[in-house]
Amino acid sequence: GEDVEQSLFLSVREGDSSVINCTYTDSSSTYLYWYKQEPGAGLQLLTYIFSNMDMKQDQRLTVLLNKKDKHLSLRIADTQTGDSAIYFCAERSSGTYKYIFGTGTRLKVLA
Amino acid sequence: DVKVTQSSRYLVKRTGEKVFLECVQDMDHENMFWYRQDPGLGLRLIYFSYDVKMKEKGDIPEGYSVSREKKERFSLILESASTNQTSMYLCASSFGGQGTGELFFGEGSRLTVL
Repeated sequence: GEDVEQSLFLSVREGDSSVINCTYTDSSSTYLYWYKQEPGAGLQLLTYIFSNMDMKQDQRLTVLLNKKDKHLSLRIADTQTGDSAIYFCAERSSGTYKYIFGTGTRLKVLA
Repeated sequence: DVKVTQSSRYLVKRTGEKVFLECVQDMDHENMFWYRQDPGLGLRLIYFSYDVKMKEKGDIPEGYSVSREKKERFSLILESASTNQTSMYLCASSFGGQGTGELFFGEGSRLTVL
């Protein structure tokens, strides 16, 4: 069945770049999302990319999509302590309500 | 400011009790969802609703039921709580039809079943 995989933990130093990776299996995915969950809160959409795009940049965030390998990454430039959170990758096919979420990657930013 | 509000942030219940988790959104969204979040498992869909009185089972509906009598309110019901239902429950909503499909989440309800 459909699956989305992420590594569980990532630790970086403040000011470095963070790269969070995600692989997915559903080749019909149309939308791919990155959500952020801060401690004690629900998830909030960070950014998304359509499957017909290779890259999307939004301020400190860069999303790269490799459709051939079904690989999605989120790069956070100049990582700050406020970026410490759990980051979820998710996919959705057009015309469906169903999202497939990854396990989430806990990012820890060291001062 | 758009908002999804879950009625209880923390609940402690005993095995066999009936549990109601309430969720209200103020964005006039057609779609509403209940997810369960467990460490290492990500978010798993319990039920979703695309209209008033309409519902569809998600990936893990066993032991749960839902109610959507009004567009803005979506309730999750545990008829007889069990210890394996101890978890974080997240409600979300989204617009129907075309669009990015962005989900708006509540802050979560952490349920402990003793």
